[in-house]
Amino acid sequence: EAQVTQNPRYLITVTGKKLTVTCSQNMNHEYMSWYRQDPGLGLRQIYYSMNVEVTDKGDVPEGYKVSRKEKRNFPLILESPSPNQTSLYFCASSSRRQGWDTGELFFGEGSRLTVL
Amino acid sequence: ILNVEQSPQSLHVQEGDSTNFTCSFPSSNFYALHWYRWETAKSPEALFVMTLNGDEKKKGRISATLNTKEGYSYLYIKGSQPEDSATYLCAPSGGTSYGKLTFGQGTILTVHP
Repeated sequence: EAQVTQNPRYLITVTGKKLTVTCSQNMNHEYMSWYRQDPGLGLRQIYYSMNVEVTDKGDVPEGYKVSRKEKRNFPLILESPSPNQTSLYFCASSSRRQGWDTGELFFGEGSRLTVL
Repeated sequence: ILNVEQSPQSLHVQEGDSTNFTCSFPSSNFYALHWYRWETAKSPEALFVMTLNGDEKKKGRISATLNTKEGYSYLYIKGSQPEDSATYLCAPSGGTSYGKLTFGQGTILTVHP
């Protein structure tokens, strides 16, 4: 079954304690992206990756890091989480690539993160 | 940041009504326009990806049109059903950064039985 898998689905942590949210897709997609969803602000893009070892900032990258060492995985790293990073996070993947965008996004189930 | 506007913000209709929403976006450097449906407690799911000016796509009772020259897309739902209740999101891709896909804030549709 084609899917995007995120872990953990729910996490409560404390300010400053490093955490990683993993994302894995089994569709051989080149494009992967992270979004956060906050009430009244919609889905905002954090980082995206066009291919292995190619990552770039979205609209709200501050406080986050990503890496793309393998095609299937795109972890989101919060080095020193703060309460303003409390949010619902979505990972997505797509077959879209540079100069060709007919590939829809496939979303993971979401990770709800609370930073105290 | 790409300026994407969706209207209305929310909409309440009765079962059987037909309805439509608008997505407005910058028309320059346009690549594609995505529509997604997002039901409560679920993940967004793709409805359409449209690329050509004048494009029309249909999936069941839902259809969409695209005008890339003036920068807008319409989503239509014919004969709304309670299961159509969801947030409908649009996202244009384009601009100077191809990888960015900026979502509008969505139109929240509630269909009353």
